[in-house]
Amino acid sequence: DQQVKQNSPSLSVQEGRISILNCDYTNSMFDYFLWYKKYPAEGPTFLISISSIKDKNEDGRFTVFLNKSAKHLSLHIVPSQPGDSAVYFCAASHTGNQFYFGTGTSLTVIP
Amino acid sequence: DVKVTQSSRYLVKRTGEKVFLECVQDMDHENMFWYRQDPGLGLRLIYFSYDVKMKEKGDIPEGYSVSREKKERFSLILESASTNQTSMYLCASSPRGGYEKLFFGSGTQLSVL
Repeated sequence: DQQVKQNSPSLSVQEGRISILNCDYTNSMFDYFLWYKKYPAEGPTFLISISSIKDKNEDGRFTVFLNKSAKHLSLHIVPSQPGDSAVYFCAASHTGNQFYFGTGTSLTVIP
Repeated sequence: DVKVTQSSRYLVKRTGEKVFLECVQDMDHENMFWYRQDPGLGLRLIYFSYDVKMKEKGDIPEGYSVSREKKERFSLILESASTNQTSMYLCASSPRGGYEKLFFGSGTQLSVL
């Protein structure tokens, strides 16, 4: 059973606007969350993380929000750029060692 | 920078063949993982290892085995390849202690004909 879900397989956004990618999880024991970005034929690269003691973490254009009561996290990209076009995966862990990944959201930023 | 190297980018094998996928990391990480990525299914954990000669099953270990004889090397073995094992295979590593990001290799696209 999928413990981490990304219900939007794809998202298109105009360059310069905000991209919001969503992720839901079912396991209340998860206490560490990450976002990865993946280009075709490459391995995923780490973007940003957040621990359950926080509700927001920001790194440049990327901000992750965590709503523990709703078991929901989101990644905001502002402003979106064409180079952000990729597949984004969220991941969660309750041990800090084993990670459960979502199914991914393919983001297209339109110039 | 951490480097995780997977021996092949593309591999084509026949049904029933024994297949070895090799992964080497150069940052002295204790933890190593094998995932497969399939459209609509995301990344699914096959096996992982927290130390030399130890291994743990992930979510989809059937049809696979692993070997970790040296700290830097983690091999995934398909004992008898089948067409449903056609997939992108991704190796990752992370330091012991947890709550650290995973570093991924570039992946091996395996096609089983």
